[in-house]
Amino acid sequence: DAKTTQPNSMESNEEEPVHLPCNHSTISGTDYIHWYRQLPSQGPEYVIHGLTSNVNNRMASLAIAEDRKSSTLILHRATLRDAAVYYCILAMKTSYDKVIFGPGTSLSVIP
Amino acid sequence: NAGVTQTPKFRILKIGQSMTLQCTQDMNHNYMYWYRQDPGMGLKLIYYSVGAGITDKGEVPNGYNVSRSTTEDFPLRLELAAPSQTSVYFCASRFDPRGGELFFGEGSRLTVL
Repeated sequence: DAKTTQPNSMESNEEEPVHLPCNHSTISGTDYIHWYRQLPSQGPEYVIHGLTSNVNNRMASLAIAEDRKSSTLILHRATLRDAAVYYCILAMKTSYDKVIFGPGTSLSVIP
Repeated sequence: NAGVTQTPKFRILKIGQSMTLQCTQDMNHNYMYWYRQDPGMGLKLIYYSVGAGITDKGEVPNGYNVSRSTTEDFPLRLELAAPSQTSVYFCASRFDPRGGELFFGEGSRLTVL
């Protein structure tokens, strides 16, 4: 019950921007959107999160659609180290305590 | 701060044996989680805890038990190990469930033969 839909895989060329989409059509007004990534043979790591407004940090940007039914994680300049599985997760008011991961998007970066 | 520490990093068990995976965090986080990740698959939530003395089942709790006697520790016990429990186990913690970052340990790789 991840409540999000992401493409299974994507490719990007090194040093180009990457836009990773996530659909969450059943999102409610109090649900937070979280992104994590998992590098090969490592545990997941936090990337970014938001509620309504677009967010930026040192790793990425999060663009949230006006109706909040979709969001996009933006890596401004892909590097080889960005090759990972990216997970889009909803922190839902009905179950804030739980964190359920979906299958995510496997990003390949081509040199 | 050490963050989230898991032990052991690797373990091989025989079918029917029992063991405990240890997880400790030094960030004073109330929320702690155990996940398993089978090869090539995503993470599945086993158990979680919202504070000392409080635990709840996740997606795949069968075959596991947890306890939370202190804020720092959240051990995961495997009773009667089965080959289906061969997996990488990740422990995680967070301060705020809504907007808080989830911190993960490095994982414990368990093989049941």
